[in-house]
Parts: sequence; structure tokens; C-alpha cells
Amino acid sequence: SQQGEEDPQALSIQEGENATMNCSYKTSINNLQWYRQNSGRGLVHLILIRSNEREKHSGRLRVTLDTSKKSSSLLITASRAADTASYFCATDALGIQGAQKLVFGQGTRLTINP
Amino acid sequence: DTEVTQTPKHLVMGMTNKKSLKCEQHMGHRAMYWYKQKAKKPPELMFVYSYEKLSINESVPSRFSPECPNSSLLNLHLHALQPEDSALYLCASSQFGVGYTNEKLFFGSGTQLSVL
Repeated sequence: SQQGEEDPQALSIQEGENATMNCSYKTSINNLQWYRQNSGRGLVHLILIRSNEREKHSGRLRVTLDTSKKSSSLLITASRAADTASYFCATDALGIQGAQKLVFGQGTRLTINP
Repeated sequence: DTEVTQTPKHLVMGMTNKKSLKCEQHMGHRAMYWYKQKAKKPPELMFVYSYEKLSINESVPSRFSPECPNSSLLNLHLHALQPEDSALYLCASSQFGVGYTNEKLFFGSGTQLSVL
């Protein structure tokens, strides 16, 4: 399976601190994406980093990708209570019929304490 | 309009019932997806329609039957479900069809299904 492994499974920090989540995957990829999910809701796309990119920024988000280590990290700076959510990395993989599909990692549950 | 709309938001059904989940998008996206998500687990892909044709079926039991009437609509027909099928069912869409790389998914808010 291409499914990513995320670390840590849960993270609790104080508002204003930075939060770092890590994702490891098993085989070569075209891209790696990060999504956020608020409790019981749909997922929201945060950022996509291509396999030939090493770092990408979007507002308070910073994503790095190390294809040699097959790993990625998501950094959220100056965290806010509204950042409380589950965060999933996702990588592309071949489905049963040979078509590309997006496979999600186990996720990190982030709690920001006021 | 950048939304994927799913109805109903909540559904309770018995094991002998027949029900349908509906999903709609008006972004002109050509691929639509059904994912199943159990509590505290990642979403798992069930089906993908690309240009209104079923492109991926991840060996889903036949009690789940997808349908794509047109490029904006996606249904999931449910029949004779089991209690273990209780989950959040998420619909998603992407701009291009299956086979394109670097596609991001737009998700609906999901249908929380309980099978009694």
C-alpha cells in the first residue's frame, strides 16, 4: 500500500506555538498533498508539493519534501485555536485498475489550547 | 461556486432499507469520487468516475452501487447494508479526469450514515 504514515498521531500545543507534523510514504510519488479536516466535516486542501520541489509556503503553512527519505513535514506557525483539526498527508498511487488515485495517511490530530 | 454539496447530512437506515446518497458540484470538474471514513481513520477510496465513466472500483461490496447521471451529479445507492458500514461518506471532485497528476480534491461535508 502507498498509504502514508504520520507522526505524531496526536499533538497538543498552546496557542501561538508552532506545530510540526511529519509524513512518510513508501514508493515514488508525483506529488504530496496536505489536507485539513475539522471534526466530522469534509477535508479541505491545504497545499500540494511536487516531487521536484523541496519546500513550499502558503500563509502560515510551510511544507517540505525529502524524496530521498520519502518524507514530508507540515509546519504551522503562530498556531490559532481555529487550527484545531486533523491533518492528513496524501500521495498518489496506482489503483487496482491501473489509474492514479489519492491515498491518505493516518492523520495527525492537532489541538490548540487557548 | 467552489462547493461540493452532499445530501443528506445524516442518515439512519435499517439493514433492509434502500437509500441513496447524493453529491453535486458545479465547478465543471470531470472526476468525482466516493470515500468512506470510519471514526479516527483516514478516508478510504471507494469509487472514481472520470468523464462520467466508472474508472476505479476499489473492490467495494455490491451493496454499494454508484451512479453518475451526468458530469455534475454523483449518487451512491445503498441496499442491505451492515452495521459495520456505518461511517462518514465523503464525495469529492477534481478538475480533470483520472490519469492527470497534481490534481487536488474538493470535498463535500459528507453524509454521516448509521446502519441499525
